[in-house]
Amino acid sequence: GDSVTQMEGPVTLSEEAFLTINCTYTATGYPSLFWYVQYPGEGLQLLLKATKADDKGSNKGFEATYRKETTSFHLEKGSVQVSDSAVYFCALSEARRRKAGTALIFGKGTTLSVSS
Amino acid sequence: DTAVSQTPKYLVTQMGNDKSIKCEQNLGHDTMYWYKQDSKKFLKIMFSYNNKELIINETVPNRFSPKSPDKAHLNLHINSLELGDSAVYFCASSQASGGAYEQYFGPGTRLTVT
Repeated sequence: GDSVTQMEGPVTLSEEAFLTINCTYTATGYPSLFWYVQYPGEGLQLLLKATKADDKGSNKGFEATYRKETTSFHLEKGSVQVSDSAVYFCALSEARRRKAGTALIFGKGTTLSVSS
Repeated sequence: DTAVSQTPKYLVTQMGNDKSIKCEQNLGHDTMYWYKQDSKKFLKIMFSYNNKELIINETVPNRFSPKSPDKAHLNLHINSLELGDSAVYFCASSQASGGAYEQYFGPGTRLTVT
């Protein structure tokens, strides 16, 4: 079945450092891809999305490009802040079941800790 | 203004009890979901409903029963609670049309079974 693999964390960075969190997927067809962020004690917030190959999703300085040739959707940010400390989840929506009620399949999450 | 809300936020109960978690969304979406997040933060789908019709019913003990009285509400009832049910339960919603099917999540309910 479809699956998502994320780099293991935690990732520890200093403020203003460059961030990359790797995400690769296995899927039949063309899934939609997402990054969600979970701040401590909160629910998941949609950070960005991409629905087809070569699409670039971006939001709040974060970017990710849908690469079908490498089945990847890596998250990047040029300069992280302390407030970016959170758990980041890569997820896909199964293409072959793209209909109402299709579940998201999540990676295991990557914890980011940014210090000042 | 909360888009997806859940009650309660925290739930502490003893083994064997029956409890319910409520979810409401005011986004006008027609599809709602329950996910379980375990202690390692792994998220897994439990159920999904579209227009009050059950779409996904993953391998979940039948002690868990979802109920959707209308498109804006999806409740989760759990019978005979067990220690292993301790987790954070998230409700989510999405709109069926439009392509990406991104889902919007509630704040979660942290269930602790003692």
